[in-house]
Amino acid sequence: EAAVTQSPRNKVAVTGGKVTLSCNQTNNHNNMYWYRQDTGHGLRLIHYSYGAGSTEKGDIPDGYKASRPSQENFSLILELATPSQTSVYFCASGVGNQDTQYFGPGTRLLVL
Amino acid sequence: GDSVTQTEGLVTVTEGLPVKLNCTYQTTYLTIAFFWYVQYLNEAPQVLLKSSTDNKRTEHQGFHATLHKSSSSFHLQKSSAQLSDSALYYCALSVRNSNNRIFFGDGTQLVVKP
Repeated sequence: EAAVTQSPRNKVAVTGGKVTLSCNQTNNHNNMYWYRQDTGHGLRLIHYSYGAGSTEKGDIPDGYKASRPSQENFSLILELATPSQTSVYFCASGVGNQDTQYFGPGTRLLVL
Repeated sequence: GDSVTQTEGLVTVTEGLPVKLNCTYQTTYLTIAFFWYVQYLNEAPQVLLKSSTDNKRTEHQGFHATLHKSSSSFHLQKSSAQLSDSALYYCALSVRNSNNRIFFGDGTQLVVKP
């Protein structure tokens, strides 16, 4: 069974602060993804990665950075958090683009 | 570019009646795979169905979908909706190219009423 975990599960941040969301997968999947989910917008891709050391921009990368230091870990970094980044963030992993993506439980971020 | 369209944001159906969630797509690639993901309240999205074969019916958990490349569609159907089917459903497309990503539709909220 695929296993993707995220931390923290809930986060309250202040405007202008730095926020790091972490994702870990134990499936040895090459690909990892960060999405945000907002009502009326569905799942929107922020950044993704093909493997350790690689990051690619998704559809809405502005205001976000990503880091993939290892096969297992993929982080999403908000250097200067803004209230518009209040959302639910999901991490996912997968083998290839035609394989199933396995999602983590999500992180609820509130930026005040 | 590649895209997925789910025309209904909300579908409401009475328990026991059939339900159909629409999904159409646009792509220039010939080799594609399609997914339906389901997300229950306060849970993560999870795959419900996957298909890459034209005109072949795929079934899981009482739901079924058939990829029709001629009409660029992959509609999700169930003959008898259950209260437990209430959830958010995403249609998703992946293509065989250099970008290892999936394109998601905006999602359809299914509400099954007693």
